[in-house]
Amino acid sequence: GNSVTQMEGPVTLSEEAFLTINCTYTATGYPSLFWYVQYPGEGLQLLLKATKADDKGSNKGFEATYRKETTSFHLEKGSVQVSDSAVYFCALRGAPIQGAQKLVFGQGTRLTINP
Amino acid sequence: DAGITQSPRHKVTETGTPVTLRCHQTENHRYMYWYRQDPGHGLRLIHYSYGVKDTDKGEVSDGYSVSRSKTEDFLLTLESATSSQTSVYFCAISDPTDTQYFGPGTRLTVL
Repeated sequence: GNSVTQMEGPVTLSEEAFLTINCTYTATGYPSLFWYVQYPGEGLQLLLKATKADDKGSNKGFEATYRKETTSFHLEKGSVQVSDSAVYFCALRGAPIQGAQKLVFGQGTRLTINP
Repeated sequence: DAGITQSPRHKVTETGTPVTLRCHQTENHRYMYWYRQDPGHGLRLIHYSYGVKDTDKGEVSDGYSVSRSKTEDFLLTLESATSSQTSVYFCAISDPTDTQYFGPGTRLTVL
């Protein structure tokens, strides 16, 4: 079945550091890939997505490229801010069933940015 | 923000009691989902709905049932709560652009 594996957390960085959170997946067919972010006490918010190989999703300075050859979708940001502290989830969606978008999530990576 | 509310936001109950969580949306979207969030597991799909009265199981559906009698409401019921169902429950909807929006969550504790 489909699965997503994220790098273990927590991750702690200083402000303005470079961020990479690794995500690899196993899936049949051609899944769509997503990064979601969860701020303390809130639900998840879509950060970025990519729907086919070599697509790059980007938002708020974050980027991730859909690499089919390495089955990866690593999240990167060139210069993190304290406000980026949150839990980040990588997710995939396989072929819709009855039109429903069934997401499979990684375990999440907690990121803390120190000033 | 997508118009999704969940109630209650917090609940403490005892083992063996029935519990119903409510998800309400104001977006008129067809698809709705219930997930649970547990440390080390991310979010896992419990049940989903693809229309009024149309529902199906997700990957962790044992011990849960759902109902959807109108577009805006999707109910999750634990018929007889167990301690293993202590979790944070999230409702979500998906729109035609393939984006899924999540509610604020319900923290359920089963003693």
